[in-house]
Amino acid sequence: DAGVTQSPTHLIKTRGQQVTLRCSPKSGHDTVSWYQQALGQGPQFIFQYYEEEERQRGNFPDRFSGHQFPNYSSELNVNALLLGDSALYLCASSWEAYEQYFGPGTRLTVT
Amino acid sequence: KQEVTQIPAALSVPEGENLVLNCSFTDSAIYNLQWFRQDPGKGLTSLLLIQSSQREQTSGRLNASLDKSSGRSTLYIAASQPGDSATYLCAVFQGAQKLVFGQGTRLTINP
Repeated sequence: DAGVTQSPTHLIKTRGQQVTLRCSPKSGHDTVSWYQQALGQGPQFIFQYYEEEERQRGNFPDRFSGHQFPNYSSELNVNALLLGDSALYLCASSWEAYEQYFGPGTRLTVT
Repeated sequence: KQEVTQIPAALSVPEGENLVLNCSFTDSAIYNLQWFRQDPGKGLTSLLLIQSSQREQTSGRLNASLDKSSGRSTLYIAASQPGDSATYLCAVFQGAQKLVFGQGTRLTINP
């Protein structure tokens, strides 16, 4: 059984560009959450998707948007990239509100 | 606003020692609490999940306790091994929808 997968593994972008990160949840899971982890910090909640709708959002600007597809996979989009967006982006899946399983993350570097 | 604090920020012990990692949270109205392990540059691996109605959970050499009334959790690691070296993160499930993380304890086990 494949766990949570994320793509790409690493990404380098320039300030002002846009980026899309992808996540496939663990089999049987219907809820996907996204987190941003800056170096040396704990992950910060960005938003959560359930039944193709954003169910809750953390304290992140509208530049951060997402989508969930009918097969429960999800995308995270970040527009107008800033240097401060450089971080490890983690996707977590769960069945409703139970134990969350994390993917390996996407390392985004903004130059 | 929920705040999660982990003490100490870093810990270095010789192999074979038993050790305790501490986690405290400010709002006792939590859904559950989850302990994770993170290796450098990698995603999060779930170690233990404690439901709000439970007092502790055990998995192998790991034991996690939860005291909601005092806003504290501890992760006990028995007979530590060099392979246990990693960052350990505590997170509380707030409102059944998002995890609020501490900053982690960086653990080094010396052979």
